[in-house]
Amino acid sequence: EVQLVQSGAEVKKPGARVKISCKVSGYTFTDYYIHWVQQAPGKGLQWMGLLDPEDGEPIYAEKFQGRVTITADTSTDTAYMELSSLRSEDAAVYYCARSSHLDYWGQGTQVTVSS
Amino acid sequence: QSVLTQPPSVSGAPGQRVTISCTGSSSNIGAGYDVHWYQQVPGTAPKFLIYGNNNRPSGVPDRFSGSKFGTSASLAITGLQAEDEAEYYCQSYDSSLSGSYVFGTGTKVTVL
Repeated sequence: EVQLVQSGAEVKKPGARVKISCKVSGYTFTDYYIHWVQQAPGKGLQWMGLLDPEDGEPIYAEKFQGRVTITADTSTDTAYMELSSLRSEDAAVYYCARSSHLDYWGQGTQVTVSS
Repeated sequence: QSVLTQPPSVSGAPGQRVTISCTGSSSNIGAGYDVHWYQQVPGTAPKFLIYGNNNRPSGVPDRFSGSKFGTSASLAITGLQAEDEAEYYCQSYDSSLSGSYVFGTGTKVTVL
């Protein structure tokens, strides 16, 4: 069974950084892209970027370029998304998802940004 | 702002057919990129519903169908059921944005 399990909720201060993990199981980690998607409260889905775990090359959405870093550890089948210089509008649920058509999703990680 | 536009809401009675449009442009849907659809019940992660414009993953009921024409795509739900009440998003790729996947604005389906 394919599963993507994300790390728990985070509370951060403005200006800090947050790093969320996404541990996969049930398939070969390097066979599929991993995407990260942001969903602010009451808002739609916003694509942040992706990583090909096989070559480690990330592609980032223009909106997050310079603040987001997506990495992968193939020894633990885990992908990571780090967002820096947090501001109030970064408060959201963050999802990881697999494949070019996002066929499996993590459960989401709530990030709160508050002073 | 999203480059894929959906109606904010659609509604229908149980058993009826509803359709959700996803309007793009020549740099995304019109360029031939596939459209995928997702269903999201409030408080849960999105669920993969349709891929490659009109294909259903295993386990998705056949009352859900997708189509694509020109710079637009549509999701149809026939035989609407109470459990179909959710938010629906289209998704594609846009060549005008650096390597960017894009989502639609989202449509809330209400079962009357």
